[in-house]
Amino acid sequence: GNSVTQMEGPVTLSEEAFLTINCTYTATGYPSLFWYVQYPGEGLQLLLKATKADDKGSNKGFEATYRKETTSFHLEKGSVQVSDSAVYFCALLDYNQGGKLIFGQGTELSVKP
Amino acid sequence: GAGVSQTPSNKVTEKGKYVELRCDPISGHTALYWYRQSLGQGPEFLIYFQGTGAADDSGLPNDRFFAVRPEGSVSTLKIQRTERGDSAVYLCASSSTTAASQYFGPGTRLTVT
Repeated sequence: GNSVTQMEGPVTLSEEAFLTINCTYTATGYPSLFWYVQYPGEGLQLLLKATKADDKGSNKGFEATYRKETTSFHLEKGSVQVSDSAVYFCALLDYNQGGKLIFGQGTELSVKP
Repeated sequence: GAGVSQTPSNKVTEKGKYVELRCDPISGHTALYWYRQSLGQGPEFLIYFQGTGAADDSGLPNDRFFAVRPEGSVSTLKIQRTERGDSAVYLCASSSTTAASQYFGPGTRLTVT
């Protein structure tokens, strides 16, 4: 069945460091891919998405490219800030299997000043 | 406009009791989803509605769980004979269609003692 695997956390970085959070997926169809973010004490927020191969989603300085050949959707940011500290979730949505999202386990990011 | 709202924000109940969790989706969104998030994990799909009908309830763990959406807007997740293993954060999301991005509410934290 469909699944999403993320790199384990926590990831600890200094402010202005480069961020990569790896995400790979297994899907029988052609899913859309998402990154959601959960800031401390808050709900899940959609960060970015890509709906087909080679699409790049971007928002707030974060980017992720839908790579069908490697079944990956890695999240990157060139220069992290303390305010980026949160838990990041990669997810897929396979329309052939209905509208449900399948999430990875989440990666906690902690950015130190 | 207003986002997805969920009530209550916290619910503590004794083992064996019945609970109802409410979700008010974004106005005009026809698709509504319920997920459950255990500590340190990604959300797991429970059920989703397209309009008033449950289009996919394959994630409901057993027959103690039931959800309704009688008028195609507000939804209620009902849990009978609660067990300690039901303790989790219950998340609701809505989208304009099943193909569109899902927007999450703040969640209801359920604790079964």
